[in-house]
Amino acid sequence: AQKVTQAQTEISVVEKEDVTLDCVYETRDTTYYLFWYKQPPSGELVFLIRRNSFDEQNEISGRYSWNFQKSTSSFNFTITASQVVDSAVYFCALSEGYMNRDDKIIFGKGTRLHILP
Amino acid sequence: DTGVSQNPRHKITKRGQNVTFRCDPISEHNRLYWYRQTLGQGPEFLTYFQNEAQLEKSRLLSDRFSAERPKGSFSTLEIQRTEQGDSAMYLCASSPSPGQGNTEAFFGQGTRLTVV
Repeated sequence: AQKVTQAQTEISVVEKEDVTLDCVYETRDTTYYLFWYKQPPSGELVFLIRRNSFDEQNEISGRYSWNFQKSTSSFNFTITASQVVDSAVYFCALSEGYMNRDDKIIFGKGTRLHILP
Repeated sequence: DTGVSQNPRHKITKRGQNVTFRCDPISEHNRLYWYRQTLGQGPEFLTYFQNEAQLEKSRLLSDRFSAERPKGSFSTLEIQRTEQGDSAMYLCASSPSPGQGNTEAFFGQGTRLTVV
């Protein structure tokens, strides 16, 4: 069965520090998608990134970067030079579907990130 | 606005009453998902549709819950005989079908249900 574990319930860092959010997943499939979503205080889930299981290249988007390692079943998210606006709950998610296969997206419990001014 | 739309945004109901929520997905998306989120938890999968077909229902979806997507466009989620434990944020999301490239789900703002 698919499962996503975010062991860090809550993290607080001072503004401008780097912070890494951990995500470990379980799946029996060899093809799957991994996601990160952000949920700011307003409540709406905002899509950040999607990565398929065949692409282990790390990705960088501005201050955000993602480290996907199949060997450890991890998909960690790093925010560089954090800002107060980064304060939110971040969810890692997994979908076992790929191409024409059926799938659903399963979420971890989230990590609440506080960026202190 | 071409995002996912959910109505109502907030609903307060007395225990035992029935409630119905509506979700209008992004128009070209064939997939539609319902999730429930309680305080401090991640979204929990309830059910999803491919067009009008309901593909899977979670064990969380008791007999009091029913979801429909009659014409493959908007969807409704009904809760009968509400209980206090049903109080939560109900989230709807939509995505293209697998095989159409991107499969990320886009979420609506949710309907917050409070059962008193």
